[in-house]
Amino acid sequence: DVKVTQSSRYLVKRTGEKVFLECVQDMDHENMFWYRQDPGLGLRLIYFSYDVKMKEKGDIPEGYSVSREKKERFSLILESASTNQTSMYLCASRQGGSDTQYFGPGTRLTVL
Amino acid sequence: QKEVEQNSGPLSVPEGAIASLNCTYSDRGSQSFFWYRQYSGKSPELIMFIYSNGDKEDGRFTAQLNKASQYVSLLIRDSQPSDSATYLCAVPPDTGRRALTFGSGTRLQVQP
Repeated sequence: DVKVTQSSRYLVKRTGEKVFLECVQDMDHENMFWYRQDPGLGLRLIYFSYDVKMKEKGDIPEGYSVSREKKERFSLILESASTNQTSMYLCASRQGGSDTQYFGPGTRLTVL
Repeated sequence: QKEVEQNSGPLSVPEGAIASLNCTYSDRGSQSFFWYRQYSGKSPELIMFIYSNGDKEDGRFTAQLNKASQYVSLLIRDSQPSDSATYLCAVPPDTGRRALTFGSGTRLQVQP
């Protein structure tokens, strides 16, 4: 079974704080993704990574950065959290050559 | 950019009925299609995928693909209250690196 884990289920931060969201997968997948999901807006891709130290911007990268130092771990960083970054954050991973994505449980982030 | 359209619902069906969920897509070149189920407050989980025209059955679920008309459907037979969730349709990216493109989802309510 593919397992994708995220460091926190719920997180509350203050405006201006630096926030780290961690994602780990145990299936040696090459590709990893960060989405955010908001009511009425669906799933929106923030960043993805296709290899260690490689990253590409998704559809809404502004205000975010990512890090992938090891194959199994993909981190999303909010450099200076703002209230409009309150959302559900979902990590996913995928084996190279496959289209199927597997999601982690999600982190519900609230920025006050 | 590929587009995937779904009726947001809610679609309400009585227990034991057949629920029919539909999805249309813009790119005629799309080769595979995915259905994910998402319970409230949870992350999406893969139900099934389909690559070729026609029907694919898995238990109570049947995916139907019509490439000429550019739509894909998910039928749920003998609907149960536990099937109440949002169902997301997704198509793969143009290249092997990017993420699935998701529809905004259809909320299904199965009435006991």
